[in-house]
Amino acid sequence: AQKITQTQPGMFVQEKEAVTLDCTYDTSDPSYGLFWYKQPSSGEMIFLIYQGSYDQQNATEGRYSLNFQKARKSANLVISASQLGDSAMYFCAMSVNNDMRFGAGTRLTVKP
Amino acid sequence: GAGVSQTPSNKVTEKGKYVELRCDPISGHTALYWYRQSLGQGPEFLIYFQGTGAADDSGLPNDRFFAVRPEGSVSTLKIQRTERGDSAVYLCASSFSSDREAFFGQGTRLTVV
Repeated sequence: AQKITQTQPGMFVQEKEAVTLDCTYDTSDPSYGLFWYKQPSSGEMIFLIYQGSYDQQNATEGRYSLNFQKARKSANLVISASQLGDSAMYFCAMSVNNDMRFGAGTRLTVKP
Repeated sequence: GAGVSQTPSNKVTEKGKYVELRCDPISGHTALYWYRQSLGQGPEFLIYFQGTGAADDSGLPNDRFFAVRPEGSVSTLKIQRTERGDSAVYLCASSFSSDREAFFGQGTRLTVV
């Protein structure tokens, strides 16, 4: 099965600054999807951004962008202009043939 | 409904009892996933359905766990002879295809006492 690795258990960022959350993956399948989800303390899982393995350009959604480096098998999430409401757990996920697996997550804390 | 619905939202059961957790996915979503999440950890994959069939059940921890999706819509996760270590939030998600996001339910918090 595919493997997702998030090496940063916790990250801190100053409000209004940018932050990068790391994600590396491993799969032998050439077709896959990469996702980022946010999980605030309320527990809901909120979809943020998607990148397909054949997409030529990095995905962007508002303040979120995905830094996709296929050769390095990395899919880092960049959050620009951090807000206090961005404090949450962030999970990277990969889907291969509809089989979706998650990383261990990174807890982001935004400081005022 | 508009979203993924999971019932019950909370379940407290005694060790050794049998429990069923229900997931009602978004209409038309063929893929359905069950995950287990312990505090401070990522969702742990349990089983994935494509339509009525379990496409991958490699995440089920042992034979006390079983899941069905008989009509390709609602799914039930069944746990026999519950143990205290089964206590966790059980998340269900559904998606239309692998290049679309999965939508999650609010989860069922299972506590085995």
